[in-house]
Amino acid sequence: AQSVTQLGSHVSVSEGALVLLRCNYSSSVPPYLFWYVQYPNQGLQLLLKYTTGATLVKGINGFEAEFKKSETSFHLTKPSAHMSDAAEYFCAVSDRGNEKLTFGTGTRLTIIP
Amino acid sequence: AAGVIQSPRHLIKEKRETATLKCYPIPRHDTVYWYQQGPGQDPQFLISFYEKMQSDKGSIPDRFSAQQFSDYHSELNMSSLELGDSALYFCASTKGGSLYGYTFGSGTRLTVV
Repeated sequence: AQSVTQLGSHVSVSEGALVLLRCNYSSSVPPYLFWYVQYPNQGLQLLLKYTTGATLVKGINGFEAEFKKSETSFHLTKPSAHMSDAAEYFCAVSDRGNEKLTFGTGTRLTIIP
Repeated sequence: AAGVIQSPRHLIKEKRETATLKCYPIPRHDTVYWYQQGPGQDPQFLISFYEKMQSDKGSIPDRFSAQQFSDYHSELNMSSLELGDSALYFCASTKGGSLYGYTFGSGTRLTVV
Protein backbone atom coordinates (compact mmCIF):
# COMPACT_ATOMS: atom_id res chain seq x y z
CA ALA A 1 0.00 0.00 0.00
CA GLN A 2 1.17 3.48 -0.75
CA SER A 3 1.01 6.63 1.37
CA VAL A 4 1.90 10.29 1.12
CA THR A 5 3.17 12.68 3.76
CA GLN A 6 3.05 16.40 3.21
CA LEU A 7 5.18 18.30 5.70
CA GLY A 8 3.53 21.51 6.80
CA SER A 9 -0.22 21.90 6.61
CA HIS A 10 0.24 25.66 6.19
CA VAL A 11 3.03 27.46 4.38
CA SER A 12 3.33 31.22 4.02
CA VAL A 13 5.73 32.94 1.65
CA SER A 14 6.16 36.51 0.52
CA GLU A 15 5.20 37.48 -3.00
CA GLY A 16 8.25 36.95 -5.21
CA ALA A 17 9.87 34.48 -2.83
CA LEU A 18 10.63 30.82 -3.45
CA VAL A 19 7.80 28.36 -2.92
CA LEU A 20 8.75 24.94 -1.54
CA LEU A 21 6.05 22.41 -0.66
CA ARG A 22 7.31 19.09 0.66
CA CYS A 23 6.01 15.66 -0.21
CA ASN A 24 7.38 12.28 0.78
CA TYR A 25 5.85 9.04 -0.37
CA SER A 26 5.88 5.40 0.50
CA SER A 27 5.29 2.79 -2.16
CA SER A 28 6.24 -0.84 -2.55
CA VAL A 29 6.65 -0.43 -6.30
CA PRO A 30 7.90 2.42 -8.48
CA PRO A 31 5.28 5.11 -8.08
CA TYR A 32 3.46 7.57 -10.22
CA LEU A 33 3.47 10.95 -8.44
CA PHE A 34 1.22 13.95 -8.85
CA TRP A 35 0.68 17.45 -7.55
CA TYR A 36 -2.81 18.92 -7.66
CA VAL A 37 -3.97 22.43 -6.77
CA GLN A 38 -7.38 23.26 -5.37
CA TYR A 39 -8.77 26.77 -5.19
CA PRO A 40 -11.60 27.48 -2.76
CA ASN A 41 -14.82 25.69 -3.67
CA GLN A 42 -13.30 24.32 -6.83
CA GLY A 43 -12.13 20.99 -8.14
CA LEU A 44 -8.68 19.48 -8.32
CA GLN A 45 -6.45 20.76 -11.09
CA LEU A 46 -3.37 18.81 -12.13
CA LEU A 47 -0.18 20.82 -11.78
CA LEU A 48 2.28 18.16 -12.87
CA LYS A 49 3.00 14.45 -12.74
CA TYR A 50 5.91 12.06 -12.77
CA THR A 51 5.52 8.68 -14.39
CA THR A 52 8.80 7.68 -16.02
CA GLY A 53 11.82 9.34 -17.57
CA ALA A 54 13.20 12.70 -16.53
CA THR A 55 13.05 13.15 -12.78
CA LEU A 56 12.61 16.93 -12.98
CA VAL A 57 9.07 17.59 -14.08
CA LYS A 58 7.76 20.96 -15.18
CA GLY A 59 4.12 21.81 -14.78
CA ILE A 60 1.72 24.65 -15.26
CA ASN A 61 1.97 28.12 -13.71
CA GLY A 62 5.75 27.90 -13.35
CA PHE A 63 5.76 25.00 -10.91
CA GLU A 64 8.17 22.10 -11.05
CA ALA A 65 8.95 19.04 -8.96
CA GLU A 66 11.84 16.63 -8.74
CA PHE A 67 11.45 12.91 -8.13
CA LYS A 68 14.22 11.72 -5.81
CA LYS A 69 13.99 7.99 -5.37
CA SER A 70 16.77 7.85 -2.76
CA GLU A 71 14.87 10.33 -0.60
CA THR A 72 11.38 9.08 -1.55
CA SER A 73 10.50 12.69 -2.16
CA PHE A 74 8.63 14.74 -4.74
CA HIS A 75 8.86 18.32 -3.52
CA LEU A 76 7.06 21.09 -5.41
CA THR A 77 8.84 24.37 -6.11
CA LYS A 78 8.28 27.68 -7.83
CA PRO A 79 11.05 30.29 -8.03
CA SER A 80 8.84 33.33 -7.48
CA ALA A 81 5.48 33.26 -5.74
CA HIS A 82 2.52 35.14 -7.11
CA MET A 83 -0.61 36.15 -5.26
CA SER A 84 -2.65 33.87 -7.51
CA ASP A 85 -0.72 30.85 -6.17
CA ALA A 86 -2.63 31.01 -2.90
CA ALA A 87 -4.50 27.71 -2.74
CA GLU A 88 -4.47 24.19 -1.29
CA TYR A 89 -1.92 21.84 -2.77
CA PHE A 90 -2.19 18.06 -2.69
CA CYS A 91 0.51 15.53 -3.42
CA ALA A 92 -0.76 12.15 -4.61
CA VAL A 93 0.72 8.75 -5.42
CA SER A 94 -0.41 5.75 -7.37
CA ASP A 95 1.18 2.36 -7.79
CA ARG A 96 1.83 1.54 -11.40
CA GLY A 97 -0.98 -0.57 -12.71
CA ASN A 98 -3.36 0.63 -10.01
CA GLU A 99 -4.82 3.92 -11.04
CA LYS A 100 -6.43 4.78 -7.71
CA LEU A 101 -4.83 7.91 -6.21
CA THR A 102 -3.80 8.22 -2.59
CA PHE A 103 -3.58 11.84 -1.48
CA GLY A 104 -1.61 13.59 1.18
CA THR A 105 -3.39 15.77 3.70
CA GLY A 106 -2.68 18.91 1.73
CA THR A 107 -0.72 22.12 2.26
CA ARG A 108 -2.43 25.48 2.31
CA LEU A 109 -0.20 28.06 0.66
CA THR A 110 -0.63 31.69 1.68
CA ILE A 111 1.11 34.48 -0.19
CA ILE A 112 2.06 37.56 1.79
CA PRO A 113 1.92 40.82 -0.21
CA ALA B 1 -12.02 20.83 -24.54
CA ALA B 2 -14.77 18.85 -22.87
CA GLY B 3 -14.25 18.19 -19.19
CA VAL B 4 -15.73 15.91 -16.58
CA ILE B 5 -19.21 17.15 -15.74
CA GLN B 6 -20.74 16.60 -12.34
CA SER B 7 -24.27 17.39 -11.31
CA PRO B 8 -25.62 18.91 -9.27
CA ARG B 9 -22.91 21.33 -8.13
CA HIS B 10 -24.58 21.78 -4.78
CA LEU B 11 -27.06 19.62 -2.92
CA ILE B 12 -28.70 20.03 0.45
CA LYS B 13 -30.42 17.06 2.03
CA GLU B 14 -31.83 16.22 5.41
CA LYS B 15 -30.66 13.33 7.57
CA ARG B 16 -31.98 9.95 6.48
CA GLU B 17 -32.78 11.22 2.99
CA THR B 18 -31.34 9.84 -0.24
CA ALA B 19 -29.08 11.63 -2.70
CA THR B 20 -27.95 10.81 -6.22
CA LEU B 21 -24.81 12.36 -7.68
CA LYS B 22 -24.05 12.15 -11.38
CA CYS B 23 -20.80 12.15 -13.28
CA TYR B 24 -20.37 12.50 -17.04
CA PRO B 25 -16.83 11.56 -18.10
CA ILE B 26 -14.82 13.09 -20.88
CA PRO B 27 -15.94 11.65 -24.25
CA ARG B 28 -14.25 8.31 -25.02
CA HIS B 29 -13.18 7.89 -21.40
CA ASP B 30 -14.37 4.51 -20.14
CA THR B 31 -13.14 4.64 -16.53
CA VAL B 32 -14.69 6.63 -13.70
CA TYR B 33 -13.52 7.16 -10.12
CA TRP B 34 -15.34 8.64 -7.14
CA TYR B 35 -13.64 10.46 -4.28
CA GLN B 36 -14.99 12.02 -1.10
CA GLN B 37 -13.36 15.08 0.45
CA GLY B 38 -14.60 16.02 3.90
CA PRO B 39 -14.12 19.55 5.27
CA GLY B 40 -10.40 20.22 5.62
CA GLN B 41 -9.59 16.66 4.58
CA ASP B 42 -7.76 15.09 1.68
CA PRO B 43 -9.78 13.29 -1.00
CA GLN B 44 -10.50 9.66 -0.20
CA PHE B 45 -11.11 7.07 -2.89
CA LEU B 46 -14.58 5.53 -2.82
CA ILE B 47 -15.07 3.35 -5.88
CA SER B 48 -14.17 3.02 -9.56
CA PHE B 49 -15.64 1.55 -12.71
CA TYR B 50 -14.10 0.37 -15.95
CA GLU B 51 -16.28 -0.52 -18.91
CA LYS B 52 -19.39 -0.50 -16.70
CA MET B 53 -17.93 -2.97 -14.21
CA GLN B 54 -16.71 -2.11 -10.73
CA SER B 55 -12.93 -2.17 -10.88
CA ASP B 56 -11.90 -1.16 -7.37
CA LYS B 57 -13.48 -0.29 -4.06
CA GLY B 58 -12.20 1.93 -1.30
CA SER B 59 -13.71 3.30 1.86
CA ILE B 60 -17.27 3.45 0.60
CA PRO B 61 -20.02 2.94 3.21
CA ASP B 62 -22.56 0.18 2.66
CA ARG B 63 -25.22 2.90 2.48
CA PHE B 64 -23.65 4.08 -0.76
CA SER B 65 -23.87 2.36 -4.11
CA ALA B 66 -22.71 3.32 -7.56
CA GLN B 67 -22.89 2.16 -11.11
CA GLN B 68 -21.67 3.04 -14.57
CA PHE B 69 -24.15 3.08 -17.42
CA SER B 70 -23.89 2.13 -21.09
CA ASP B 71 -23.01 5.73 -22.03
CA TYR B 72 -20.22 5.59 -19.39
CA HIS B 73 -21.77 8.13 -17.10
CA SER B 74 -21.82 7.12 -13.47
CA GLU B 75 -24.15 7.72 -10.55
CA LEU B 76 -23.37 7.59 -6.84
CA ASN B 77 -26.43 6.78 -4.76
CA MET B 78 -26.33 7.62 -1.09
CA SER B 79 -29.06 6.51 1.28
CA SER B 80 -29.84 7.12 4.95
CA LEU B 81 -27.74 10.23 4.83
CA GLU B 82 -25.83 11.23 7.94
CA LEU B 83 -24.37 14.58 8.96
CA GLY B 84 -20.91 13.10 8.42
CA ASP B 85 -21.67 12.55 4.75
CA SER B 86 -21.41 16.29 4.18
CA ALA B 87 -18.46 16.62 1.83
CA LEU B 88 -17.27 17.47 -1.62
CA TYR B 89 -17.66 14.49 -3.94
CA PHE B 90 -15.35 14.35 -6.91
CA CYS B 91 -15.54 12.26 -10.00
CA ALA B 92 -12.54 11.65 -12.24
CA SER B 93 -12.34 9.92 -15.59
CA THR B 94 -9.71 8.42 -17.83
CA LYS B 95 -9.34 6.03 -20.77
CA GLY B 96 -8.52 2.41 -20.13
CA GLY B 97 -7.68 2.99 -16.49
CA SER B 98 -4.55 4.83 -17.51
CA LEU B 99 -3.16 7.60 -15.34
CA TYR B 100 -2.55 9.62 -18.47
CA GLY B 101 -5.39 12.04 -18.96
CA TYR B 102 -6.80 11.43 -15.48
CA THR B 103 -9.14 14.42 -15.08
CA PHE B 104 -11.27 15.55 -12.17
CA GLY B 105 -14.66 17.21 -12.30
CA SER B 106 -15.46 20.30 -10.24
CA GLY B 107 -17.28 18.23 -7.64
CA THR B 108 -20.67 18.11 -5.97
CA ARG B 109 -20.90 19.73 -2.58
CA LEU B 110 -23.33 17.75 -0.45
CA THR B 111 -24.60 19.28 2.75
CA VAL B 112 -26.64 17.13 5.10
CA VAL B 113 -28.69 19.04 7.67
